[in-house]
Amino acid sequence: GESVGLHLPTLSVQEGDNSIINCAYSNSASDYFIWYKQESGKGPQFIIDIRSNMDKRQGQRVTVLLNKTVKHLSLQIAATQPGDSAVYFCAENISGSNTGKLIFGQGTTLQVKP
Amino acid sequence: DADVTQTPRNRITKTGKRIMLECSQTKGHDRMYWYRQDPGLGLRLIYYSFDVKDINKGEISDGYSVSRQAQAKFSLSLESAIPNQTALYFCATSEMGALTETQYFGPGTRLLVL
Repeated sequence: GESVGLHLPTLSVQEGDNSIINCAYSNSASDYFIWYKQESGKGPQFIIDIRSNMDKRQGQRVTVLLNKTVKHLSLQIAATQPGDSAVYFCAENISGSNTGKLIFGQGTTLQVKP
Repeated sequence: DADVTQTPRNRITKTGKRIMLECSQTKGHDRMYWYRQDPGLGLRLIYYSFDVKDINKGEISDGYSVSRQAQAKFSLSLESAIPNQTALYFCATSEMGALTETQYFGPGTRLLVL
């Protein structure tokens, strides 16, 4: 079946280093992808999104890269801060589905060491 | 995000009891969703609604029902709660007709079924 998954369940980085969180998706019809951040005790919070007609998009300290050839998505966080500690989810939307439904990956926990 | 609120935030109930989780939003969005989150399984869609007269089942609707009382309100009911419904429940909204399918989440309801 179709699925969205993350390569590593936990990522530990030193404060100030860059973080890279990866996501693999299997549905070639997916045309829109979102990264969410979920802090402990809170709901998922939108970070950045990208459409399939792009391969890179930048936000404030975050960059999302999309490689459609290998169905891979990554989130890069520059100069990681303690406040970046959270669980990060990728989600995909399937083109033409018109359902608004998102398929979520299982999440990667980012731990930032001071 | 205060635009999407959920009540209660925490609930403990017993097997066989009927409970209702409520969601309200002030974002003016037409689409609303209920998700369930379990450790290691990410977010799974229970039900979604495109407007007051439109209700659709998600991937794990068994044991749940919903009611869309108004554009701004979407409630989730467990008619007869069972222990494996212990989970974190999230409500989300999105804007119909928007170019992207970004969903905005509430803070979650933590449910424990004994």
